Amino acid sequence: AQTVTQSQPEMSVQEAETVTLSCTYDTSESDYYLFWYKQPPSRQMILVIRQEAYKQQNATENRFSVNFQKAAKSFSLKISDSQLGDAAMYFCAYSRASGTYKYIFGTGTRLKVLA
Amino acid sequence: DTGVSQDPRHKITKRGQNVTFRCDPISEHNRLYWYRQTLGQGPEFLTYFQNEAQLEKSRLLSDRFSAERPKGSFSTLEIQRTEQGDSAMYLCASRPRSGTSASTDTQYFGPGTRLTVL
Repeated sequence: AQTVTQSQPEMSVQEAETVTLSCTYDTSESDYYLFWYKQPPSRQMILVIRQEAYKQQNATENRFSVNFQKAAKSFSLKISDSQLGDAAMYFCAYSRASGTYKYIFGTGTRLKVLA
Repeated sequence: DTGVSQDPRHKITKRGQNVTFRCDPISEHNRLYWYRQTLGQGPEFLTYFQNEAQLEKSRLLSDRFSAERPKGSFSTLEIQRTEQGDSAMYLCASRPRSGTSASTDTQYFGPGTRLTVL
């Protein structure tokens, strides 16, 4: 069975600094997708960034980038130039690239941004 | 694109009562998911619809839970004889049909329905 692990329950970062959130996963599949979602307090979950496992190039979206290490089954999120609006729960998610594409989520990392 | 909507946003009920939640996906999305999120945890998959067909149910979905998507548009999730352990956030997500978007693997989430069972 696939699993996703986020070992950092909470992280803090100073405004304008850089922070990295960790995620590891376990799967026997060779083709899959990985995602980072942001869930602000009392608001809906929104996609931050996605990575296709067959692509070696790390995904980037503006201030957000990932470090995808397929052999190590690691998928970390780097947030550059952190802003107060980045404060939220961040969830790492995995889905197979076949079947239902259902997500398997980690337990989340709460990010605090300090002014 | 008005996003995924869920109704109600909050529901407080007494143990033993039945509750029903509604999800309206993004209009052109034919795939729909239900997840449950308890405090301090990530969402857990409950069930999946493609059009009106329910193609997968998690073992988390006990016989007190039933989900429908009768016309392949909105979906309902009903919990019968609620228990305190059912208290959670129930999230709905939808995904585009194949061939319509570059990211047909990506799910779009609604705001959730927070259920409190007293």
